[in-house]
Amino acid sequence: QVQLQQSGPGLVKSSQTLSLTCDISGDSVSSNSAAWNWIRQSPSRGLEWLGRTYYRSRWYYEYAASVNSRITINADTSRNQFSLQLKSVTPEDTAVYYCARDDYSARVYRMDVWGEGTTVTVSS
Amino acid sequence: QTVVTQEPSLTVSPGGTVTLTCASSSGTVTSGFHPNWFQQKPGQAPRALIYSTSNKHSWTPARFSGSLLGGKAALTLSGVQPEDEADYYCLLYFGVSWVFGGGTKLTVL
Repeated sequence: QVQLQQSGPGLVKSSQTLSLTCDISGDSVSSNSAAWNWIRQSPSRGLEWLGRTYYRSRWYYEYAASVNSRITINADTSRNQFSLQLKSVTPEDTAVYYCARDDYSARVYRMDVWGEGTTVTVSS
Repeated sequence: QTVVTQEPSLTVSPGGTVTLTCASSSGTVTSGFHPNWFQQKPGQAPRALIYSTSNKHSWTPARFSGSLLGGKAALTLSGVQPEDEADYYCLLYFGVSWVFGGGTKLTVL
């Protein structure tokens, strides 16, 4: 079955860049039906979708308006993984970060596989 | 920015039935928003329950069902079990983005 394994530092200093990676097993980052998402959760903001990347003859990137100026999601086909970079972080970016797969096939959309979550604290 | 709204909290008795709803500030929720529902227990990642309005994952218990109700997406739990006490989140697709609801804390009492 599809599994997502997250990695990355749990502590980032204010104004620096938060970087996380999600390793995929059981599926391909270049899948023609899947998309690869980053989501975060904090007590103040609840669950917040940050963005996703997917491949449909070319790579697409979609980002939430709230982080659009600071976020980059990349896919690495050689390592079958995707990553999140969030620039210029502040303590407001402290949250549990999740990677997740969504899949569109047979006219249905499902977000069915999640990573285990990484707690990231931004120190001021 | 679109806001997705859920009941903050609901309480249900064991064996009872409860319906959670998911509304969009942009208007009526239709099947085109592909409502997904998740259950989350403390310290765990969200677990997918329902996708595209009413489809169940292979692991979703039969007592969970999804529908559209009065312009909203709905999740109904029939024959509630104590282990159903959790936070429930809906997720709607807006073409180029996903938006989560604020979540419903379900208490089984």
